[in-house]
Amino acid sequence: EIVLTQSPGTLSLSPGERAILSCRASQSVSSNYLAWYQQRPGQAPRLLIYGASSRDTGIPDRFSGSGSGTDFTLTISRLEPEDFAVYYCQQYGSSPELTFGGGTKVEIK
Amino acid sequence: QVQLVQSGAEVKKPGTSVMLSCQASGYTFTNYYIHWVRQAPGQGLEWMGVINPSGGSTTYAQKLQGRVTMTRDTATSTVYMELSSLRSEDTAVYYCARGRGGWLKNWFDPWGQGTLVTVSS
Repeated sequence: EIVLTQSPGTLSLSPGERAILSCRASQSVSSNYLAWYQQRPGQAPRLLIYGASSRDTGIPDRFSGSGSGTDFTLTISRLEPEDFAVYYCQQYGSSPELTFGGGTKVEIK
Repeated sequence: QVQLVQSGAEVKKPGTSVMLSCQASGYTFTNYYIHWVRQAPGQGLEWMGVINPSGGSTTYAQKLQGRVTMTRDTATSTVYMELSSLRSEDTAVYYCARGRGGWLKNWFDPWGQGTLVTVSS
């Protein structure tokens, strides 16, 4: 089973600042099969990025994903008020167990 | 639009079973896998398993093998998830989510609204 470790656990930033979230895998994620989700309080997760860097339909271009192998990054170029939430990475390259990282909370400073 | 609508909240006693439903609409039901993911209070996301609505084949997380069963009804575009021998640690919000990609190579979009299951004596 691939273990995903997200860091930092909490990121305290102001609106307009850049957020950089990390997701590190315990072994290489094949074909960069990695997705990112946003979860606001009381809501279901929402897909942002799949294939490590492909933005889903309707996702603002301030969200971008990068990385390969074991190290992946989600960048939010300029934080909007609605971006303060918890973000999860998920790998789908190692079956049958699909796994999630522990999450990074982006909070208002 | 593509939508997954889940059944309502449940309160169960330890040792009993719970069955949740997830009804899909807005797309061809048999063309996409349905996964179940749960989230304990204040915790992260845990993948539970997947069902292929086309043939009914399933794969479950090893941790839940023997306690979880996923089935589907193609006539109503509904997937069911039954979890047995409930314990307090099963208290969580349970989500269904549509899988995109190949078999067991899925990312999830969209997600259902979630169902809270509380296990308490």
